[in-house]
Amino acid sequence: AQTVTQSQPEMSVQEAETVTLSCTYDTSESDYYLFWYKQPPSRQMILVIRQEAYKQQNATENRFSVNFQKAAKSFSLKISDSQLGDAAMYFCAYRRGATNTGNQFYFGTGTSLTVIP
Amino acid sequence: NAGVMQNPRHLVRRRGQEARLRCSPMKGHSHVYWYRQLPEEGLKFMVYLQKENIIDESGMPKERFSAEFPKEGPSILRIQQVVRGDSAAYFCASSPSVMNTEAFFGQGTRLTVV
Repeated sequence: AQTVTQSQPEMSVQEAETVTLSCTYDTSESDYYLFWYKQPPSRQMILVIRQEAYKQQNATENRFSVNFQKAAKSFSLKISDSQLGDAAMYFCAYRRGATNTGNQFYFGTGTSLTVIP
Repeated sequence: NAGVMQNPRHLVRRRGQEARLRCSPMKGHSHVYWYRQLPEEGLKFMVYLQKENIIDESGMPKERFSAEFPKEGPSILRIQQVVRGDSAAYFCASSPSVMNTEAFFGQGTRLTVV
């Protein structure tokens, strides 16, 4: 079974600084996708970044980037130049490659990020 | 194109009552997923439906919970005889096809059982 582990229940960062959120996962499959979702107090799940396992290059979306270590099954999120609006719960998620049984996600327990002005 | 719409946003039920949660997927999406988020936890998969079919209900509790996605209208997650432990946020996600790598989430329904 797929499991996703986020070992940091809470993190804090000074505004404009950089923070890294950790995530590890366990799978025996070779084709899969990894995601980071942001959940602000509104509860809306917002996709931050996505990584395809077959791609060696780390995904980047503006101030957000990942460090994908496939052999170590590690998928950390780096937020640069942190802003007050980045404060939220962050969930790491895993999804199997395309399959006719659907694309259900497996989520970690989340990291609560506080941004200090 | 409106996003995934869930209603109600908040639902309060007394123990023993029934709860009905609705999810309207994005336009053109025929695949719906339901997830449950207990307090201080991540989202847990419950059920995957296509129009008129349940494809995977491996995450659904065996009793009291059911889901449907009729040909017309929203998907419904139904919880009969609710108990305090059912209090959680319930999220719906939709995608246009099983091959799509991304799912679009609604804002969730927070169910409180008193």
